[in-house]
Amino acid sequence: QQPVQSPQAVILREGEDAVINCSSSKALYSVHWYRQKHGEAPVFLMILLKGGEQKGHEKISASFNEKKQQSSLYLTASQLSYSGTYFCGTEIRDDKIIFGKGTRLHILP
Amino acid sequence: DAGVIQSPRHEVTEMGQEVTLRCKPISGHNSLFWYRQTMMRGLELLIYFNNNVPIDDSGMPEDRFSAKMPNASFSTLKIQPSEPRDSAVYFCASTPARSNQPQHFGDGTRLSIL
Repeated sequence: QQPVQSPQAVILREGEDAVINCSSSKALYSVHWYRQKHGEAPVFLMILLKGGEQKGHEKISASFNEKKQQSSLYLTASQLSYSGTYFCGTEIRDDKIIFGKGTRLHILP
Repeated sequence: DAGVIQSPRHEVTEMGQEVTLRCKPISGHNSLFWYRQTMMRGLELLIYFNNNVPIDDSGMPEDRFSAKMPNASFSTLKIQPSEPRDSAVYFCASTPARSNQPQHFGDGTRLSIL
């Protein structure tokens, strides 16, 4: 039931792009994306609802393909502040969220 | 605006002792979630409440774990007796409603059981 994230880790240079994928074996109601920096709490980025929508947040955007039960997070022209662990959370019915194991992103100057 | 407040921030105790973690959700939020985070298992949902009522406790590891929400502004997660494998960071999160809402996380309690 836990969604699968890929890749597990990414190392980029500042200004490069990254894509983080999240897939589920269950039909999804919505997908949540969070970022967690070391020693801190997860921080909400965005929610995508079924309907194949795409959302953006500064240079971070995401898509949701409900037919494939997949979501992707796109980080464009990455900044040092983007470093951290990114979690997708999948909502199968209208209540609890199950989080993936996370993707560690490290941005080099 | 005050966010989700958890206490204590750190707890170190010996195996067998009772541990109580506390959480104050954001005022007006109706749903409260308890998570446990470890390197091996990631962020696991333990239990969640809606309007102070436990809705799903299927993630609670075993009978040693219990959670209560006596009112809309306070929840506790208790471990009795504690074991070294319970060492983890425990997060509390709240949302205004049950679904399609961002989860607001507290700063977490880092628990070490010796």
